[in-house]
Amino acid sequence: SQQGEEDPQALSIQEGENATMNCSYKTSINNLQWYRQNSGRGLVHLILIRSNEREKHSGRLRVTLDTSKKSSSLLITASRAADTASYFCATGNNAGNMLTFGGGTRLMVKP
Amino acid sequence: KAGVTQTPRYLIKTRGQQVTLSCSPISGHRSVSWYQQTPGQGLQFLFEYFSETQRNKGNFPGRFSGRQFSNSRSEMNVSTLELGDSALYLCASSRDVQLNSPLHFGNGTRLTVT
Repeated sequence: SQQGEEDPQALSIQEGENATMNCSYKTSINNLQWYRQNSGRGLVHLILIRSNEREKHSGRLRVTLDTSKKSSSLLITASRAADTASYFCATGNNAGNMLTFGGGTRLMVKP
Repeated sequence: KAGVTQTPRYLIKTRGQQVTLSCSPISGHRSVSWYQQTPGQGLQFLFEYFSETQRNKGNFPGRFSGRQFSNSRSEMNVSTLELGDSALYLCASSRDVQLNSPLHFGNGTRLTVT
């Protein structure tokens, strides 16, 4: 079963706009990760945030984590058409590399 | 450095048959995980191997099995295939089983059961 929900399920924006995706989870976590998946291909790791961190940046990506609300958000700034993909959050607990994924957000960036 | 390689890329099988999928991790990576992705259930964890030992197993029936070889390559097997086993099967590797290791995914094997 999935750990939580992602919101929105689908998002369509114009190139240059910012995209925000939210993720909620249910149980305590050790870390939360975001992955991107282009259609029919494997997942690409974007960013990992530990449970004791509140915010992390990587290039045009900004991730926040609120463990009290069991939620995280991914912000992509100045989006590009190449950012069109599905984005998944995944939580890790104390069980090695076993990740529990959310349902994903399908992002479409129109040129 | 070569990425995670999964073979075959596509596979069509008939109900009741069995199938074996292969995964070669990134050189130096000793942990291999398998995930099933379907439109209805999303991404679900199947199992994880490290140093030829299964460390974790997801909530799948015993028809799903796997193994890891001494060179870290991994295979998963599904016996007595059902229509619901149609999915994209993704393999991921990481250097070890540290709690904060990002996973490196292959492009998957798309299995269609008819």
